Amino acid sequence: GAVVSQHPSRVICKSGTSVKIECRSLDFQATTMFWYRQFPKKSLMLMATSNEGSKATYEQGVEKDKFLINHASLTLSTLTVTSAHPEDSSFYICSARGPGSGANVLTFGAGSRLTVL
Amino acid sequence: QQQVKQSPQSLIVQKGGISIINCAYENTAFDYFPWYQQFPGKGPALLIAIRPDVSEKKEGRFTISFNKSAKQFSLHIMDSQPGDSATYFCAAGGNTGTASKLTFGTGTRLQVTL
Repeated sequence: GAVVSQHPSRVICKSGTSVKIECRSLDFQATTMFWYRQFPKKSLMLMATSNEGSKATYEQGVEKDKFLINHASLTLSTLTVTSAHPEDSSFYICSARGPGSGANVLTFGAGSRLTVL
Repeated sequence: QQQVKQSPQSLIVQKGGISIINCAYENTAFDYFPWYQQFPGKGPALLIAIRPDVSEKKEGRFTISFNKSAKQFSLHIMDSQPGDSATYFCAAGGNTGTASKLTFGTGTRLQVTL
């Protein structure tokens, strides 16, 4: 089946630094990827939709200059948290929708836990 | 319109029992209803999904019941096992407009006791 790899699984950084999280579709091409944020014991909050070769679409209230998304190829999307602060600490999860899948059939990555000190 | 309401928030079931989680939606453009299972520190994994042309779908111990007129769907886990202890999310999505992105329920933390 479809596999989405997310890296790193855990990252700790100092306040003010930037952190990049990668999301790769391993055995299929993903024209669309989604980035979510999940707080402890809470549901997934969609942050943005990443489309290969075009600008990401951000959900209302998500700062696009804070959370930079790049989808440079059909198998890779990256989320960069810029000038991270402790309130950015969270569990970030990506998912991918490949060509040929139903519109909403998504495969999720294992998530990346970001801790900002 | 975009909300998916999920209940209960948490559930404790004895081993061998039936776990039932319910969801309700408003947007009639939704036509895809998946359930995801998430273990702590991991991403959600698709468990089972249904489309509105059927009222029930069964895969092993997991069954989705779908009531289109009531705009409700539920997950039943038969013969619940301790390994089923996880958080379960329902979701709903469609193909067009605002329904084209999956909308998730708030999650149900299931604990299966021995």
